[in-house]
Formats: sequence, structure tokens, C-alpha cells
Amino acid sequence: NAGVTQTPKFQVLKTGQSMTLQCAQDMNHNSMYWYRQDPGMGLRLIYYSASEGTTDKGEVPNGYNVSRLNKREFSLRLESAAPSQTSVYFCASNRDQAYEQYFGPGTRLTVT
Amino acid sequence: GENVEQHPSTLSVQEGDSAVIKCTYSDSASNYFPWYKQELGKRPQLIIDIRSNVGEKKDQRIAVTLNKTAKHFSLHITETQPEDSAVYFCASSRGTGRRALTFGSGTRLQVQP
Repeated sequence: NAGVTQTPKFQVLKTGQSMTLQCAQDMNHNSMYWYRQDPGMGLRLIYYSASEGTTDKGEVPNGYNVSRLNKREFSLRLESAAPSQTSVYFCASNRDQAYEQYFGPGTRLTVT
Repeated sequence: GENVEQHPSTLSVQEGDSAVIKCTYSDSASNYFPWYKQELGKRPQLIIDIRSNVGEKKDQRIAVTLNKTAKHFSLHITETQPEDSAVYFCASSRGTGRRALTFGSGTRLQVQP
């Protein structure tokens, strides 16, 4: 049972490049989330998925797209990376009727 | 939307002293209040949480109190140890339907040996 996994761990992009951050969980959770954490700040919600095929915007969705490919996987895509998207990205999940969220190890993204 | 404010931003205590971190929230519908500990370069780890039907919860040296009327909750760490040094985040959520967390800005706790 690996919990929540994220790939890659680190990534450096040039402005304008695109990439997809991958997240997967093996706990059979319906709800999955993408957060970003900027230096000295708490995590902020980018997108949320309550179940396969559904997604909702969070607090800071601009510049991102998401795909809930199946129950296990929830990916985050940057179509045209900007320096303002330099951050640490965390994926999380929780099961229905439960409050606790389980976090992945994070992806540290730098956009130059 | 929900807004969570956290104070202080930094806290330095001597080993063995107590530490208190406070948060206020704005959404009266929030009913779940977790606290996370984050060490440098690591993911947030849940250390304790409380739901709105409870006023206080304790787990060994850690306790959380909740005042729903005043919309604030606090983390209390007693007998602090150097390994308690980390950044602590409070958060809140409505707990039903969309359960996304709204986080405070964090408190860097330094326990001096």
C-alpha cells in the first residue's frame, strides 16, 4: 500500500513549456485534490475532484488544467508555465465520509 | 470563501516549555479543524484534528481547543522537545461534500535545547 504517490519529485521548466504532474492513490478514495505551497505560505487549493469524471476549481485554478483519468489517478497540467507557478505541488486524497486527507510527497517545480 | 488566519508566524521556546498557536476562521459552516506538522522538504503530516461537536481533544503532549462561537481554535504543545521544531499549519473545512482544506499561513516553531 503506497498511499499517495506523485511524479516527478523535481522539475525545472522554461517559461512557456508545458508539463503534467501525475498523482495516484491506491486507497480506493473518491476525493482527490491538488494544492500548491509557496514559500512561507500555507497550501492553497488548485483543483478538486469528488469522483471519477468530475472536477471543480479551487482558490487558484488559473493556468492549470486537471484530468481525473480514473479513480486512482488525478493529473495536473501546466499548458504554458510561468515563473509565478514556481511552487511545491501536493496531491491529496480522502475517502467518502472521512475528513482526514492523505498527502503525497510533493513535486518541487521551478519555472525559469 | 473561507479565510483562516494563524498566529504567530514564528515561535521560539525553550525545551520543556509549552507552545500555543492560534487560528481564526471566517466560515461559520466549517466543522473540521486539523493541525499539520511539516518538516523541511516533507509533506504535511496530520498531528491532531477536531470536529465542531467537540470543544477539546488531547493526544499525549498535544491538545487542540475549539471555540465555535468565537470562530477560533488553538494548538497546545506541552513539554516541548527539539524534535517538535517544524512548521505547523492549521486548516479548516466544511467536512461535507467538497472537503477541501483552507490552510493558515503557518507557524515556524523552534525549540531551543
